[in-house]
Amino acid sequence: AQRVTQPEKLLSVFKGAPVELKCNYSYSGSPELFWYVQYSRQRLQLLLRHISRESIKGFTADLNKGETSFHLKKPFAQEEDSAMYYCALSSGGYQKVTFGIGTKLQVIP
Amino acid sequence: NAGVTQTPKFQVLKTGQSMTLQCAQDMNHNSMYWYRQDPGMGLRLIYYSASEGTTDKGEVPNGYNVSRLNKREFSLRLESAAPSQTSVYFCASVVGPTGELFFGEGSRLTVL
Repeated sequence: AQRVTQPEKLLSVFKGAPVELKCNYSYSGSPELFWYVQYSRQRLQLLLRHISRESIKGFTADLNKGETSFHLKKPFAQEEDSAMYYCALSSGGYQKVTFGIGTKLQVIP
Repeated sequence: NAGVTQTPKFQVLKTGQSMTLQCAQDMNHNSMYWYRQDPGMGLRLIYYSASEGTTDKGEVPNGYNVSRLNKREFSLRLESAAPSQTSVYFCASVVGPTGELFFGEGSRLTVL
């Protein structure tokens, strides 16, 4: 069974402070991992995926297979980063995608 | 380009009533999904359809049925609504083989 764990429901940081949203996963195969974001009154959208190894809006995430983690990081938080963030795991191909419970990021001005 | 379209956006039901949530995508995607979003529970998969003609249960399928009507449309039916089914429902389709999802705007359902 595949499982995604996000240990923090709420993370509050000050503007300009570093951000780290934690994500751990459990999966026996080779997973595809994603971070999705939901801004207020907007639909869920992809933020980034591990296979792209890209930085989006200053966010990065590195897949650590040894620790089965895919933490989301940003060196300097901005107010517009306030949103709900979901870590997700796909078993690959056109199969099911499992989400964590989400972490609400609140950036304090 | 509409993407993924869900209807209705809001619905209030009484316990025991039935209803169908409609979802359509115009991106020629093979796979489609229904999730429910609840505070503190995140997004939980109800059913998914890997391709036209197939459907599979997700984490929380009880109380729901689905129909993959054609490649574009994937509907979710509540035969006898219960207060525990009060939630925000999201339809999604897979952009490509990497499993990246493209979501609809959501349907807020309240069961009294």
